[in-house]
Amino acid sequence: EDQVTQSPEALRLQEGESSSLNCSYTVSGLRGLFWYRQDPGKGPEFLFTLYSAGEEKEKERLKATLTKKESFLHITAPKPEDSATYLCAVQPLNDYKLSFGAGTTVTVRA
Amino acid sequence: NAGVTQTPKFRILKIGQSMTLQCTQDMNHNYMYWYRQDPGMGLKLIYYSVGAGITDKGEVPNGYNVSRSTTEDFPLRLELAAPSQTSVYFCASSPRMGGNQPQHFGDGTRLSIL
Repeated sequence: EDQVTQSPEALRLQEGESSSLNCSYTVSGLRGLFWYRQDPGKGPEFLFTLYSAGEEKEKERLKATLTKKESFLHITAPKPEDSATYLCAVQPLNDYKLSFGAGTTVTVRA
Repeated sequence: NAGVTQTPKFRILKIGQSMTLQCTQDMNHNYMYWYRQDPGMGLKLIYYSVGAGITDKGEVPNGYNVSRSTTEDFPLRLELAAPSQTSVYFCASSPRMGGNQPQHFGDGTRLSIL
């Protein structure tokens, strides 16, 4: 069974304090790993898809990286507007459905 | 630019009541999905559809039913509401499953069953 574990559950940062979120996964062959952002009271919003180990994607202050067992979402010099829950999901080679982690809730204080 | 629209946003039901959660998308996507999100848990897939007239069970389908008569609409029905179905329900759509086709989500329906 595919498993996705995100850590930490919650992260409180000062504005400008860079940090990383972890997504560890167990899957029988990876088709793709997805990162989403979710604001309170809203649905998840797509950020990145990563396909193979060593791949990196960037968007503003966010950079996602992928290894064979985990993915990291690096937040560089965060701002209060980066406060959200970040969700990771994996898609196995033998299926198209996604398995989601529970998310990391990031709070950035001014 | 509506995307995926879910109604209602909030609902309180009594045990044993039934209701339908509505979902419509205006992106002409073939694939649609229903998830539930519980505190501390990842999104769990309830049902999905690959096109009008075709639906299939996800990970947690018990207690729910779906239909897909048009490309745009994918309603989720609860027949006999139970407290365990208290959750936030999200509908999503994508052009197809997988690859570089991310799912687009609605803003959810928050359902409480008392």
